[in-house]
Amino acid sequence: DIQMTQSPSSLSASIGDRVTITCRASQAIKSWLAWYQQKPGKAPKSLIYSASNLQSGVPSRFSGSGSGTDFTLTISSLQPEDFATYYCQQYNSYPYTFGQGTKLEIK
Amino acid sequence: EVQLVESGGGLVQPGGSLRLSCTVSGFNFNSYWMHWVRQGPETGLVWVSRIGSDGGSTVYADSVKGRFTVSRDNAKNTLFLQMDSLRVEDTAVYYCARVSGWYSPFDHWGQGILVTVSS
Repeated sequence: DIQMTQSPSSLSASIGDRVTITCRASQAIKSWLAWYQQKPGKAPKSLIYSASNLQSGVPSRFSGSGSGTDFTLTISSLQPEDFATYYCQQYNSYPYTFGQGTKLEIK
Repeated sequence: EVQLVESGGGLVQPGGSLRLSCTVSGFNFNSYWMHWVRQGPETGLVWVSRIGSDGGSTVYADSVKGRFTVSRDNAKNTLFLQMDSLRVEDTAVYYCARVSGWYSPFDHWGQGILVTVSS
């Protein structure tokens, strides 16, 4: 199975900050990587697919990059609604696997 | 509007069975592959199973293989997950999720349904 490792596991930041979350795959997954945002009690919401493509309706302050084994999610200017947990997920091969999550909290 | 709504969760004893349903609307169900993903209190998001658009192709996580069966009724726009021989470690919120085809992420998710396995 492909292991997905996110860092950091938690992050405190302020409104307007630029934040970056990283995700590393245990083997190459080309660009078959997605990022999701999850708020408490809610289902995950798709933000980015194919490592760098924004899902329809997702604000442009979100961006993704990377290929192979190393990927990043960047939020350029944090807004109050961005405080949530973020997950990466590979869909290169079964079993699909997720990172352990990065909880983004208000400083 | 795309909607996915799970039902059928609840409390079951170890060794018991439960059948989850996911009823969808707002898109052509029989054109999409569908998945189940679960989220346990300690395990994070874990992929469980996938079924092809016509129901003819299924894939399972090793942890549920031989115990869970995914199926669909395209005439009723409904996805199912039959869960047998349930274990305490199957306790989780179960989500159904849609993908658009090969090499696609989960673009729409249901709201989730809680399954608790406990004596």
